[in-house]
Amino acid sequence: GAVVSQHPSRVICKSGTSVKIECRSLDFQATTMFWYRQFPKQSLMLMATSNEGSKATYEQGVEKDKFLINHASLTLSTLTVTSAHPEDSSFYICSARRWAVSNQPQHFGDGTRLSIL
Amino acid sequence: KNEVEQSPQNLTAQEGEFITINCSYSVGISALHWLQQHPGGGIVSLFMLSSGKKKHGRLIATINIQEKHSSLHITASHPRDSAVYICAALETSGSRLTFGEGTQLTVNP
Repeated sequence: GAVVSQHPSRVICKSGTSVKIECRSLDFQATTMFWYRQFPKQSLMLMATSNEGSKATYEQGVEKDKFLINHASLTLSTLTVTSAHPEDSSFYICSARRWAVSNQPQHFGDGTRLSIL
Repeated sequence: KNEVEQSPQNLTAQEGEFITINCSYSVGISALHWLQQHPGGGIVSLFMLSSGKKKHGRLIATINIQEKHSSLHITASHPRDSAVYICAALETSGSRLTFGEGTQLTVNP
């Protein structure tokens, strides 16, 4: 069964709305979670690395004020797309790795398809 | 040139055929992942390997560290194997994954 739960799976909302996406590790602790964005027919693009109890590390070109990341506990990270616009429409997916174990695979959520009208 | 390259980009096979997807990388890695992404978007980690060969059911993954090359094989392919297969290199410098472009596999009955 899934070890990383991502919610919601699909969001359709109006331009200007802020949207929060949750990523939970279900049966393990994850000090580090990753947020990716995927455009159609393209591979995953890392947006930011979410670290429990500290600020996220954003990739170059990703606006930290636009994509707010909070990793308040060892099992939950959230990505908030603030004042979303149609160009933010995309597939967002998170992944998590077990705490303090570097040779464990990353487990991925099922993704969130965001559509901004 | 991408740091992780996959071939082929698209692959169509008949049910029962043996399938090979290749991945070459140019970065230093601590491990390489093979991932499966279904049409709905969810991603499943199939293998993580740093040397040799791993097998799980009809799936086999191999890696040659010296040649910086990995392959994913599917024996006795089935239509339910239709998905995008992605290789991802876990860089030695940190925890980030570098992804290949993916291979769209379609297995026809």
